Amino acid sequence: GENVEQHPSTLSVQEGDSAVIKCTYSDSASNYFPWYKQELGKRPQLIIDIRSNVGEKKDQRIAVTLNKTAKHFSLHITETQPEDSAVYFCAASLTGFQKLVFGTGTRLLVSP
Amino acid sequence: EAQVTQNPRYLITVTGKKLTVTCSQNMNHEYMSWYRQDPGLGLRQIYYSMNVEVTDKGDVPEGYKVSRKEKRNFPLILESPSPNQTSLYFCASSWWGYTFGSGTRLTVV
Repeated sequence: GENVEQHPSTLSVQEGDSAVIKCTYSDSASNYFPWYKQELGKRPQLIIDIRSNVGEKKDQRIAVTLNKTAKHFSLHITETQPEDSAVYFCAASLTGFQKLVFGTGTRLLVSP
Repeated sequence: EAQVTQNPRYLITVTGKKLTVTCSQNMNHEYMSWYRQDPGLGLRQIYYSMNVEVTDKGDVPEGYKVSRKEKRNFPLILESPSPNQTSLYFCASSWWGYTFGSGTRLTVV
């Protein structure tokens, strides 16, 4: 079955810096790669996703890139702000409405 | 408002006392699932359902049951809870991305 590895487990940056979180997946048939943000005590919320027919997707300060050949995808956050501090999870799935396999999460801390 | 409603938010119970965590969605999604979240282990799937009366095991199904008698509801049942089932549980429904419920923090003593 699918296995998703996520790095780093913790990431500390200064406000205004960029942050990059990387994930690799094992099943070449996976086609859907979402990213979730989980603030302390709250539910994970979808922040951006990408499908396998696209190499990059942007939404304001966040972007996701996908390299299907190498089976890895990354989340990029630019101009980080303290409210970006949270745990971020990557995930992979065959389709968007089937089983998601999650990475173990990255705790991002943005210091003012 | 599109949402997944999960209850209760917090639950403390004793070993062996049967409990049910309810989950309901109003988005007419066919796919629903249950995850547990533990420190360092991320989110692991317990059970999922592709549609009414269609359920299957996820990665960590031992000690859990589910049912899907209606499209909107997908309860999680712990017939005989044990301390190793102390965890944070999330229900989710999906159509190109999961919508999670607010979570149930379960403590089994």
